[in-house]
Amino acid sequence: GEDVEQSLFLSVREGDSSVINCTYTDSSSTYLYWYKQEPGAGLQLLTYIFSNMDMKQDQRLTVLLNKKDKHLSLRIADTQTGDSAIYFCAESLVDNYGQNFVFGPGTRLSVLP
Amino acid sequence: DADVTQTPRNRITKTGKRIMLECSQTKGHDRMYWYRQDPGLGLRLIYYSFDVKDINKGEISDGYSVSRQAQAKFSLSLESAIPNQTALYFCATSDLPRGPYTFGSGTRLTVV
Repeated sequence: GEDVEQSLFLSVREGDSSVINCTYTDSSSTYLYWYKQEPGAGLQLLTYIFSNMDMKQDQRLTVLLNKKDKHLSLRIADTQTGDSAIYFCAESLVDNYGQNFVFGPGTRLSVLP
Repeated sequence: DADVTQTPRNRITKTGKRIMLECSQTKGHDRMYWYRQDPGLGLRLIYYSFDVKDINKGEISDGYSVSRQAQAKFSLSLESAIPNQTALYFCATSDLPRGPYTFGSGTRLTVV
């Protein structure tokens, strides 16, 4: 079945770069997404990448996609305390329920001063 | 006003009670979803609806029901709440088959 995996925790120092990794299983995924969840809030779309792209950059965010290994990463440059949150990787696919997103378990990023 | 509004934000209820969680949206999206979030498990799909006349079960629909009262409204009911339904519940909308989703702020439900 479909499965999206992420490490559950990451700690970095303020000003360093953060790299959050994700692996997915469905090669038919056309879009892969990164969502950010701040405490007490819903999920906010951060960025996404189309499966025919290898990289996408948006200000401090860089998304890298390795289709061969089904590996997606999110790099946050110059990490700030406001970046502390849970980051979810998600793939879009058509499954037994017709259409669905499959979310990873989320990576809790802690930014240390 | 938020694009996707969920009510209530927090709710504590007793085992066996019926409870309804409500979701309304101003995005004009046809597609609406209910997910539950549990720590370390990510988000799991409960029900989804592609239009007012279309309701579909998701991965974990047992113990839940939904109603799509209008394009803008999609409610989730727990007919007889049980403690393992304690979770954070999210409503989401989209207008494309492959997303992206717009999420509500969530309803934290505790069943005691």
